[in-house]
Amino acid sequence: AQKVTQAQTEISVVEKEDVTLDCVYETRDTTYYLFWYKQPPSGELVFLIRRNSFDEQNEISGRYSWNFQKSTSSFNFTITASQVVDSAVYFCALRNNAGNMLTFGGGTRLMVKP
Amino acid sequence: DAGVTQSPTHLIKTRGQQVTLRCSPISGHKSVSWYQQVLGQGPQFIFQYYEKEERGRGNFPDRFSARQFPNYSSELNVNALLLGDSALYLCASSLESDSTDTQYFGPGTRLTVL
Repeated sequence: AQKVTQAQTEISVVEKEDVTLDCVYETRDTTYYLFWYKQPPSGELVFLIRRNSFDEQNEISGRYSWNFQKSTSSFNFTITASQVVDSAVYFCALRNNAGNMLTFGGGTRLMVKP
Repeated sequence: DAGVTQSPTHLIKTRGQQVTLRCSPISGHKSVSWYQQVLGQGPQFIFQYYEKEERGRGNFPDRFSARQFPNYSSELNVNALLLGDSALYLCASSLESDSTDTQYFGPGTRLTVL
């Protein structure tokens, strides 16, 4: 069985602070895919990134960066110089090679205050 | 290009009634998946359809059913509604049904069962 854990249910920061959202996953598969989605108050899940299990290279996209560490089964997400528009619920998700479903974590609600 | 669209946006039903939710995938996408998101939790996988065939089913009772049409749009039906069926129902589309495909989500249908 697969499992995704986002231990931080809620984080509050002041604008311009850096913030890291943690994600730990469990799977028996050697090939799998990890995702981050953002869910603003409107409800739509917005795709942010996909990472393959065989590619441990970290990625940076503007103010966003992701740290994938297979040794600790973690796929953490950092927002640098946070902005009020970053306020949302962020979900980490896992999909195995044979699977057709995403297994989501419980989400982390990020509140960025001005 | 239009993203994933869902209708209706909101729905109020009473216990025991039946409901049909609709989803149109991104143009060119052949796979549609349905997820249920209860307030405060991550989405849970219900179904995946590809080329009008069911490719996967989550741990949901038989009251939940779905189908996909030749134009790749999809309907989710829930019979004999229970209070616990109140949730945001999300539809996601992807190009194919491979695990490598990224799923893109629609805005969801918020169902309230009274």
